[in-house]
Amino acid sequence: AQSVTQLDSHVSVSEGTPVLLRCNYSSSYSPSLFWYVQHPNKGLQLLLKYTSAATLVKGINGFEAEFKKSETSFHLTKPSAHMSDAAEYFCVVSGSVPGTYKYIFGTGTRLKVLA
Amino acid sequence: DAGITQSPRHKVTETGTPVTLRCHQTENHRYMYWYRQDPGHGLRLIHYSYGVKDTDKGEVSDGYSVSRSKTEDFLLTLESATSSQTSVYFCAIRGPGQGSYEQYFGPGTRLTVT
Repeated sequence: AQSVTQLDSHVSVSEGTPVLLRCNYSSSYSPSLFWYVQHPNKGLQLLLKYTSAATLVKGINGFEAEFKKSETSFHLTKPSAHMSDAAEYFCVVSGSVPGTYKYIFGTGTRLKVLA
Repeated sequence: DAGITQSPRHKVTETGTPVTLRCHQTENHRYMYWYRQDPGHGLRLIHYSYGVKDTDKGEVSDGYSVSRSKTEDFLLTLESATSSQTSVYFCAIRGPGQGSYEQYFGPGTRLTVT
């Protein structure tokens, strides 16, 4: 079985300070992991993905995430927050068992960026 | 842009009426998905399809049915809408190619059941 837990439902940071959004996963197989962003009243956009290549993954808009198998974590970071980063972020896990192309979403973390 | 459209984009309907939402894709993707998004729940899978006429249930499939008679169209039907089905519905496809497993999403349909 697979599951994903986003440890914070809300995160507030000041503009220019680092961002850390935490995600833990559970998977019986080698997982694929993703982060998506959703701006208010918009659709979902892929930020980055991990699919068993490099454990440090770089995404769009300066975001990156590190896959840590020993900690079953896939935390999203950004060195310096921008006002435009205010949005909801979703961590997603998908397994690699053939034929089971399902994706499990976390409940989301709403990022607020303070001026 | 994965060429995914959803229709209608907004709909208000009354309890007990049938409703069909349409997802259309232009790039011949095999896997298509329907999710609902509710505050505090993230996205939850309703049904998905792995080919024409091949569908399977997700975690919140009760009260919903789907059909896929053509590769490009995946229909979600609420047989008898209830207020608990008020939600935003997203369609998605699974990315193409061996090494590309990400999903791409449509713009969403906001459904209100009164």
